[in-house]
Amino acid sequence: DTGVSQNPRHKITKRGQNVTFRCDPISEHNRLYWYRQTLGQGPEFLTYFQNEAQLEKSRLLSDRFSAERPKGSFSTLEIQRTEQGDSAMYLCASSPGPGLGGYTFGSGTRLTVV
Amino acid sequence: QQQVKQSPQSLIVQKGGISIINCAYENTAFDYFPWYQQFPGKGPALLIAIRPDVSEKKEGRFTISFNKSAKQFSLHIMDSQPGDSATYFCAASREGGANNLFFGTGTRLTVIP
Repeated sequence: DTGVSQNPRHKITKRGQNVTFRCDPISEHNRLYWYRQTLGQGPEFLTYFQNEAQLEKSRLLSDRFSAERPKGSFSTLEIQRTEQGDSAMYLCASSPGPGLGGYTFGSGTRLTVV
Repeated sequence: QQQVKQSPQSLIVQKGGISIINCAYENTAFDYFPWYQQFPGKGPALLIAIRPDVSEKKEGRFTISFNKSAKQFSLHIMDSQPGDSATYFCAASREGGANNLFFGTGTRLTVIP
């Protein structure tokens, strides 16, 4: 296992379109997190999963955003009716769980909404 | 509301010098304080982390100093190298890092040869 994998690396979409990103965490990690990072800022928490259960959602996660982790392995983040303000780097991270070490981040998906 | 405040925004250091980045927090429930390094086009990578029961942690050229009473912590990079040029983020979390991380705004470090 080489780390957290995110696809696609880049996505350009027109305003109003729906987009979906995929994250494959480190296989033995049961926690999976989604963050959003805009240029010049630190990552901001969106949501996280313990296995298949979505345990916490940030108020940044509007109704247009939905995340799933159906079998407790990979996760998808969907943005419906994209807006220009959604342009950002979307980062996925995984961890083995409480007190067992820090997160490992993927390289992210850069979304540009035109 | 920024839960973790980081300074400076940018830093230029000569090769071999010491780079120092500072962070402050307010939430006393935070109990895990990591530092991440990020290169352009990459995700953040964990450098070093500390818990509030110790005042200092050293790993190679990287040292975290932690002041619980002042609610401040800092990263020191000794013998800075051009390869250290990157953006550094401090962060804080509850539940020993199991919960979501609150990141600082980042420090762009440039090490001049």
